[in-house]
This record gives sequence, C-alpha cells and structure tokens, in this order.
Amino acid sequence: GQNIDQPTEMTATEGAIVQINCTYQTSGFNGLFWYQQHAGEAPTFLSYNVLDGLEEKGRFSSFLSRSKGYSYLLLKELQMKDSASYLCAAEDSNYQLIWGAGTKLIIKP
Amino acid sequence: GAGVSQSPRYKVAKRGQDVALRCDPISGHVSLFWYQQALGQGPEFLTYFQNEAQLDKSGLPSDRFFAERPEGSVSTLKIQRTQQEDSAVYLCASSLRGQATGANVLTFGAGSRLTVL
Repeated sequence: GQNIDQPTEMTATEGAIVQINCTYQTSGFNGLFWYQQHAGEAPTFLSYNVLDGLEEKGRFSSFLSRSKGYSYLLLKELQMKDSASYLCAAEDSNYQLIWGAGTKLIIKP
Repeated sequence: GAGVSQSPRYKVAKRGQDVALRCDPISGHVSLFWYQQALGQGPEFLTYFQNEAQLDKSGLPSDRFFAERPEGSVSTLKIQRTQQEDSAVYLCASSLRGQATGANVLTFGAGSRLTVL
C-alpha cells in the first residue's frame, strides 16, 4: 500500500533549528512536496524535491533520498510564526498526491 | 481571482440535509482537486478534475458525494443526506498542470468547515 510517515508533534525553541522527517512508500514516485498549514488556514506550498539532494530556500531547506524513501524539512532561525503543521506529500506514478498526517511544530520562546 | 475561493467557510447542517460547497479556482488553472481533512490529519483525496472532465472520483466515500465542474472553472461538491461522519473541512485546490512534467504545485482555498449535528 501507499504510506507516508512523519512525527505527530515536535517542539523547538525560537532561534533554533529543527528537522522534520518524512518516510514514504508509493506506487512509483514523481516528487516530494512539503506544505505548511497554520491552524484554520489553507496549506501553502514550501518545497518540491524530485532529485536526490538538498534544496535550500531561505530559512527552509528540504532534502530527498529516493533510494531510502526519505525526506526532511529543515527550518533554521525559528520564529514564533513558524508554529504550524508541516505536511509531507509524495506524488505517485499516477500524479496523485499521497499525504502524511502532518507534524505539528510548537515553537517556544 | 488572486487565490482559490471557497464558500461557505462554515456550514452547520442537520443530519439528513443536503449541502453544496463551492470552489472558485485560480483563473486558468487546469486541475482542480477536492480533499477532506479531519482535525489533526492530512488531506484525504476525494476527486480530481482536468478542465470539466472528472478524471478520478475514487476518493468519494459514498454515492452521497457528488462533484461537478461543468464549465471547467467553478466546481461544486454536493453531499446528500449528510451524516455526522461527514463533519470535516473540505479543501479545494487548483493547479496549472494537467499531467505535464514539473512540479504540480497546488494552491489551496481556506476550506469549508462542515459540521453535521
């Protein structure tokens, strides 16, 4: 079957670094997405990886290992506004997105 | 429009009532998706349109759920004879891509929160 696993909740301190892991199993693979969702709001696109390696975009970076079925989202210089859920989604061979349940990130001052 | 617009934002229905949820995607976006999201969970796929064609409705939980996009822009998700288990946030998302290569980035609406009493 198709499956995405990510931690349910993480806590970090303002100004620190946090890494949110995601493992996936899909029928075929066409890319890995990370979305941010604040409570009561729409998910918004953060990053996309299709090749192995690290993609850096400001304070946020995303890493992919296709052979291991593994990705992580790295958030640096954490700010209070980064408190949100982070959703990992893998695109299968039918271009269907398979979503994880999301990781709720709590930032403490 | 500038973003994906959904209405109503909140809907309370009595069990057995029919509801209709509307999605206005970004102008020119080919693909339109409906998702159901329970509290603390990721989006669960319901159905997918490419222009006016409903290409995948495998995620619709029962025949009480029906979606349409007759002119390839606005879409409506209809739920007949609502049940308590239908209570959730219904998210609509659109994207430029049909099935071409490149990242299929979805732009989501803020969702319609349905509560069935």
